[in-house]
Amino acid sequence: DTGVSQDPRHKITKRGQNVTFRCDPISEHNRLYWYRQTLGQGPEFLTYFQNEAQLEKSRLLSDRFSAERPKGSFSTLEIQRTEQGDSAMYLCASSLLQGRMNTEAFFGQGTRLTVV
Amino acid sequence: AQSVTQPDIHITVSEGASLELRCNYSYGATPYLFWYVQSPGQGLQLLLKYFSGDTLVQGIKGFEAEFKRSQSSFNLRKPSVHWSDAAEYFCAVGAARSGNTGKLIFGQGTTLQVKP
Repeated sequence: DTGVSQDPRHKITKRGQNVTFRCDPISEHNRLYWYRQTLGQGPEFLTYFQNEAQLEKSRLLSDRFSAERPKGSFSTLEIQRTEQGDSAMYLCASSLLQGRMNTEAFFGQGTRLTVV
Repeated sequence: AQSVTQPDIHITVSEGASLELRCNYSYGATPYLFWYVQSPGQGLQLLLKYFSGDTLVQGIKGFEAEFKRSQSSFNLRKPSVHWSDAAEYFCAVGAARSGNTGKLIFGQGTTLQVKP
């Protein structure tokens, strides 16, 4: 297993365009998280899934953002009508919940989005 | 409000010197505590975690951290810094009650520079 994988690593887009990022978690992990990290700041929680169910969304996740995890495996994060303020690193993480035991979260290398 | 404070934005130490990075948190419940490290343009790697039990925890790469409930602190230490330790370090807190180790609040980060 190669860990959490994110694609693409870098994305440059024009303002107003839609973008979609993909995250492949560690294969047996049933929880998946999305974070956003702007320059000089720590990551901020956006949303998380348990299997295919989206259990929580941060108020940072505006209507232009949508995340899916259709089969409980990989996840996509789509940003519609991108704005310059969306420029950031988007990080994905996964963890395994078994009963009451939850492993720590393992992070991917992120997708760097630049909106021009 | 829940928050994590890393008072030192930037620290410079000489190679071989000892290191302590500070972390204070404000959290209404029993916390899970983490230290992650991030190299430029990369994702986050877990250094160590505190879930319960012994308040002095050992991590990878020779790092350790001590949970002090009375001071709401979780400072990271290393007795002898190596040039490869230069990176950004993030302290994070999660809610132990929820069992959710992936929904975290991160500090702003401390950038460590190592002088030869």
